[in-house]
Amino acid sequence: QSALTQPASVSGSPEQSITISCTGTSSDIGTYDLVSWYQQHPDRAPKLMIYEVTKRPSGVSNRFSGSKSGNTASLTISGLQAEDEADYYCCSYVGDYTLVFGTGTKVTVL
Amino acid sequence: QVQLQQWGAGLLKPSETLSLTCAVYSGTISGSFSGYYWSWIRQPPGKGLEWIGEINHSGSTNYNPSLKSRVTMSVDTSNNQFSLKLNSVTAADTAVYYCASRRGSGLYYFDYWGQGTLVTVSS
Repeated sequence: QSALTQPASVSGSPEQSITISCTGTSSDIGTYDLVSWYQQHPDRAPKLMIYEVTKRPSGVSNRFSGSKSGNTASLTISGLQAEDEADYYCCSYVGDYTLVFGTGTKVTVL
Repeated sequence: QVQLQQWGAGLLKPSETLSLTCAVYSGTISGSFSGYYWSWIRQPPGKGLEWIGEINHSGSTNYNPSLKSRVTMSVDTSNNQFSLKLNSVTAADTAVYYCASRRGSGLYYFDYWGQGTLVTVSS
């Protein structure tokens, strides 16, 4: 199972909105609504931001939202802030009790 | 909420066996957290995350097919911890290894993570 495909980098100015894509196949993202997103700051453990495509854990800002269309899931960050600068990873259930992460996206706040 | 603390050897030679342990706090693997699955995830320096596999309180495991032949996971409910062994390591296994919790059957996301352990494989 190959890694899900994400853009290497996405950038935006403060207060702008950005969207990170996560592309899989009809066998994983296209079949299961089991996509999650993680934020990782340098030298820190990842943090869950979105689960089951659109759900936000308690304590995560509502500036973060998730969606899915076909074989591609997306994470949108609205009202971009300096603290959002980090790496972001998607993850999907791919069947047979296994999971796969995306290639990762570095978000830069200009 | 789940708290995870992990430890293990940080420097290995090629062909040796990687061994890491993760302790669970704020609840018990066989009690309050009995529905959870306990995962290992790794991240080579400067690279992305890779799911290694998981185990539940009864010892049922699921492994990444690409690592399955070298991975063994175990659970110790009496000490409330779970472990990872990866044999025949090479430089490609150099990574930060994380333990993480997955809330249970049908819930495929990692809500709590350990602090990470850097494992370096070098002769």
